Amino acid sequence: GENVEQHPSTLSVQEGDSAVIKCTYSDSASNYFPWYKQELGKGPQLIIDIRSNVGEKKDQRIAVTLNKTAKHFSLHITETQPEDSAVYFCASLMDSNYQLIWGAGTKLIIKP
Amino acid sequence: ETGVTQTPRHLVMGMTNKKSLKCEQHLGHNAMYWYKQSAKKPLELMFVYNFKEQTENNSVPSRFSPECPNSSHLFLHLHTLQPEDSALYLCASSQAIAGLTGELFFGEGSRLTVL
Repeated sequence: GENVEQHPSTLSVQEGDSAVIKCTYSDSASNYFPWYKQELGKGPQLIIDIRSNVGEKKDQRIAVTLNKTAKHFSLHITETQPEDSAVYFCASLMDSNYQLIWGAGTKLIIKP
Repeated sequence: ETGVTQTPRHLVMGMTNKKSLKCEQHLGHNAMYWYKQSAKKPLELMFVYNFKEQTENNSVPSRFSPECPNSSHLFLHLHTLQPEDSALYLCASSQAIAGLTGELFFGEGSRLTVL
């Protein structure tokens, strides 16, 4: 079946450095790619998304890039802060049934 | 707050018990979802309701029974569960079926432990 591979499963970075999380999807018809952040004890929350007609989108310290040819998309967080510590999930939307296919998550740890 | 409220937040039940999880959304959305979240695994979509009609049932065992009496409320009835059903159960809502607007609004989840 369709799937999304997410790497790494755990990422530890020094405060102030950048963090990059990568996802690869299998359904070439996917056209929407959101990123969700899940803080401890809370549900996932959308932080940024990108549609297949653009290659990059930025929102302050967060950016997402999409390479449709390679079926890769990535989340970039610059100038990381303690509040960025959380689990991040990528997903892709299957055009056939409008279901999101999720990655397994990346636990981001920001070291002071 | 996300506008999606789940109760109870924690539930411990034996394999022969019957319990229910409740979800309420105050966002005026038309679609509601149940997801199962297990550690280090992708979110598993269980059920989707659109305008109170069930549109997806992703091969979920019959010991999980959903109910959607109106667009604001969603229940997950549980009976004769197995220990492997222990997980965080997340409810979510969206304006329409994900894809038209894209954003899901999640509740904080109900942590279920089956003994």
